[in-house]
Amino acid sequence: NAGVTQTPKFQVLKTGQSMTLQCAQDMNHEYMSWYRQDPGMGLRLIHYSVGAGITDQGEVPNGYNVSRSTTEDFPLRLLSAAPSQTSVYFCASSSLEWDSGANVLTFGAGSRLTVL
Amino acid sequence: AQSVTQLGSHVSVSEGALVLLRCNYSSSVPPYLFWYVQYPNQGLQLLLKYTSAATLVKGINGFEAEFKKSETSFHLTKPSAHMSDAAEYFCAVSYTGGFKTIFGAGTRLFVKA
Repeated sequence: NAGVTQTPKFQVLKTGQSMTLQCAQDMNHEYMSWYRQDPGMGLRLIHYSVGAGITDQGEVPNGYNVSRSTTEDFPLRLLSAAPSQTSVYFCASSSLEWDSGANVLTFGAGSRLTVL
Repeated sequence: AQSVTQLGSHVSVSEGALVLLRCNYSSSVPPYLFWYVQYPNQGLQLLLKYTSAATLVKGINGFEAEFKKSETSFHLTKPSAHMSDAAEYFCAVSYTGGFKTIFGAGTRLFVKA
């Protein structure tokens, strides 16, 4: 059981380039989300999805696009990278626990992105 | 709106000493509260969660947290620190029926020999 798989683990981009961070989960979770982690700021929610075909913005959505065509995949696209997008990106998935209703996240290992 | 405040970006303790990491939350509805741990160069993993079943919650590796509604707090404790506890700890909040999870800024725990 692979859990949440993120690729690539490391990426260096030049300002203005585009790229896609891939995220796949094999747990049949309804909910998937993208966070960015910056020193002293914790994890900030970029975009999230509550099911295939449904996405919504989080706290810091500007400069990022997402789509959810399947339950398993939730790619994050940077259309024109900027130095301010240098960060570590985490994908997470979950379903509400049947007994408590809590949303416990399973995280990928992270993708470290540097924009020059 | 939900929010989480973690007091202290860095906490340093000696091995064997009490660990106390502070978390206060803001929520207009009954919250779910979580502590996640991140070891160096890894993703986050769940340490423990509060779901209203019990106010004192026990997690992995000897950690526990107490939900205090009157203080809007969910502080994380461990009676005796171990070198392997050195990591970054994140407090998080979500709400009944909701998927969005909001994280605090994190507290890095250092354990001295």
